[in-house]
Amino acid sequence: KQEVTQIPAALSVPEGENLVLNCSFTDSAIYNLQWFRQDPGKGLTSLLLIQSSQREQTSGRLNASLDKSSGRSTLYIAASQPGDSATYLCAVSRWGGSEKLVFGKGTKLTVNP
Amino acid sequence: DTEVTQTPKHLVMGMTNKKSLKCEQHMGHRAMYWYKQKAKKPPELMFVYSYEKLSINESVPSRFSPECPNSSLLNLHLHALQPEDSALYLCASSLRLDRGYYGYTFGSGTRLTVV
Repeated sequence: KQEVTQIPAALSVPEGENLVLNCSFTDSAIYNLQWFRQDPGKGLTSLLLIQSSQREQTSGRLNASLDKSSGRSTLYIAASQPGDSATYLCAVSRWGGSEKLVFGKGTKLTVNP
Repeated sequence: DTEVTQTPKHLVMGMTNKKSLKCEQHMGHRAMYWYKQKAKKPPELMFVYSYEKLSINESVPSRFSPECPNSSLLNLHLHALQPEDSALYLCASSLRLDRGYYGYTFGSGTRLTVV
């Protein structure tokens, strides 16, 4: 059974700092990994999707890496801003057809002005 | 169109009411999902429709009844809910490819309060 763990559960940083969020998964037979952002009471916004054959994806100040062999992904946020404050969720889908998306419990990020 | 649209955004209902949540996407995704999310928890899968057929029901109580009228629409019919069913209900869709499901897109959710 796939389990996804995100560390830390909460993170508070001053504005302008670079930061890394961590995600680990127990079963390396993944099809893809997605990072989502969720603002309080809102839906999930997809930030980056990494296919199992890829090592990283970049979008603006965000960079996500994937190491399937070690069961790890990181989300790097450069030059953080107060608007980045949100909960960040990591989720994996299984290679071979299962529809289930397995989520971590998320990291709540606060960027202080 | 790269969105999943959910209506209504907010819903307050009594325990004897019948209501429906609606979800629509026009991305050609053939898998659609209902998730339930309680405060400070990750989303929990409720139902999955793949090619308009129910493929997963995560032992959800019968007071929740999903329906997929066509490849773009997904409904969740609610009847005789309990206060503990109050939550954010999220709809999602994804592509179905040979090796798996890809590119999950979520709606903005319906905040449901049962009184």
